[in-house]
Amino acid sequence: KQEVTQIPAALSVPEGENLVLNCSFTDSAIYNLQWFRQDPGKGLTSLLLIQSSQREQTSGRLNASLDKSSGRSTLYIAASQPGDSATYLCAVPMDTGRRALTFGSGTRLQVQP
Amino acid sequence: EPEVTQTPSHQVTQMGQEVILRCVPISNHLYFYWYRQILGQKVEFLVSFYNNEISEKSEIFDDQFSVERPDGSNFTLKIRSTKLEDSAMYFCASSTDNYEQYFGPGTRLTVT
Repeated sequence: KQEVTQIPAALSVPEGENLVLNCSFTDSAIYNLQWFRQDPGKGLTSLLLIQSSQREQTSGRLNASLDKSSGRSTLYIAASQPGDSATYLCAVPMDTGRRALTFGSGTRLQVQP
Repeated sequence: EPEVTQTPSHQVTQMGQEVILRCVPISNHLYFYWYRQILGQKVEFLVSFYNNEISEKSEIFDDQFSVERPDGSNFTLKIRSTKLEDSAMYFCASSTDNYEQYFGPGTRLTVT
């Protein structure tokens, strides 16, 4: 059964810092991994989807990497801003051939002005 | 930019009542999903729907739940007889063939 773990659970940084959020998964036979942002009481916003054939995916100040063999992904946020404050979730397909996602518990990020 | 919409944003119901949660997926998407998030817990998969039938479902999605695409735009989740433990945020999502799932803003269901 696929399990997703995110470390740290919470992170507080001053504005302008670069930071790394970590995601690990137990079954490396995934074909994609998706990072989401969730604001309190709101829905999930897709940030990046990395296909299994890719090692990195970039969108603006966000860069996500995927290392399938070690079961890890990182989300790098450059030059953090107070507007980046949110919970960041990592999700992978539950099993090979399935589209249903299993989620981590998230990293709650607070960027201090 | 196209987005998934959900109604209502908040639904309060009494235990044992039926509720229907509504979603309008992104118009050219083919796959539709329901997830839920109990307060303070992880987002959990309930069911996926493709080509007018259920393609995957979780253990949570028992006989009390059903989904329907009654017309070309709406996708609904029905809970037949709500329980206190059904209180959660329910998210609808949709995707094309490329697997990237787009989520709606959610419906907060409160069962009293």
